[in-house]
Amino acid sequence: DQQVKQNSPSLSVQEGRISILNCDYTNSMFDYFLWYKKYPAEGPTFLISISSIKDKNEDGRFTVFLNKSAKHLSLHIVPSQPGDSAVYFCAASARRGSSNTGKLIFGQGTTLQVKP
Amino acid sequence: DSGVTQTPKHLITATGQRVTLRCSPRSGDLSVYWYQQSLDQGLQFLIHYYNGEERAKGNILERFSAQQFPDLHSELNLSSLELGDSALYFCASSLRGGSSYNEQFFGPGTRLTVL
Repeated sequence: DQQVKQNSPSLSVQEGRISILNCDYTNSMFDYFLWYKKYPAEGPTFLISISSIKDKNEDGRFTVFLNKSAKHLSLHIVPSQPGDSAVYFCAASARRGSSNTGKLIFGQGTTLQVKP
Repeated sequence: DSGVTQTPKHLITATGQRVTLRCSPRSGDLSVYWYQQSLDQGLQFLIHYYNGEERAKGNILERFSAQQFPDLHSELNLSSLELGDSALYFCASSLRGGSSYNEQFFGPGTRLTVL
């Protein structure tokens, strides 16, 4: 039962352009969403998060959009840089009162390649 | 550097053996989480401890156990190892438990290879 899905295994964009990574979820109890970046042989690094009471959160070049009605979120990276090349994971969690409490449910990841 | 440390970085062992993975959370963090990443799977939640107490369990096998000590470091014990247990094991920490919005910060992982 894949509660968090990243349907695109890979994405390739040109340096300076926008990268858009997508994520869908099925569990309506999720109320907090996070994006992590992962380089090979390293642990995931927290990038940006958004709670369900917001529909947008911005941090520098990174913006996360949340569409609760569609159960969809996306990460926009503008402008994309070669150093952004990594695997990006979407994750979701729920607060107290759900079997998902405290833990993160991860998508399968999307490999982003930013070409110079 | 997330501030979460994990030892050892690599572990190679044989089937049937038992190993212990260690995690030290970021200073001040009370929660520790363990995740497994296999080749064909994403990151799968195993178990969550908060201030020494178990808070949530995921799809953790009965052969696996964990604990969090008074100094808040945690150990994940894997016994009767099978080839399929070969994976990356990540520890993460956060300031609080599941009742608040809080990011989890991940360690560099332990790569376990069972031969």
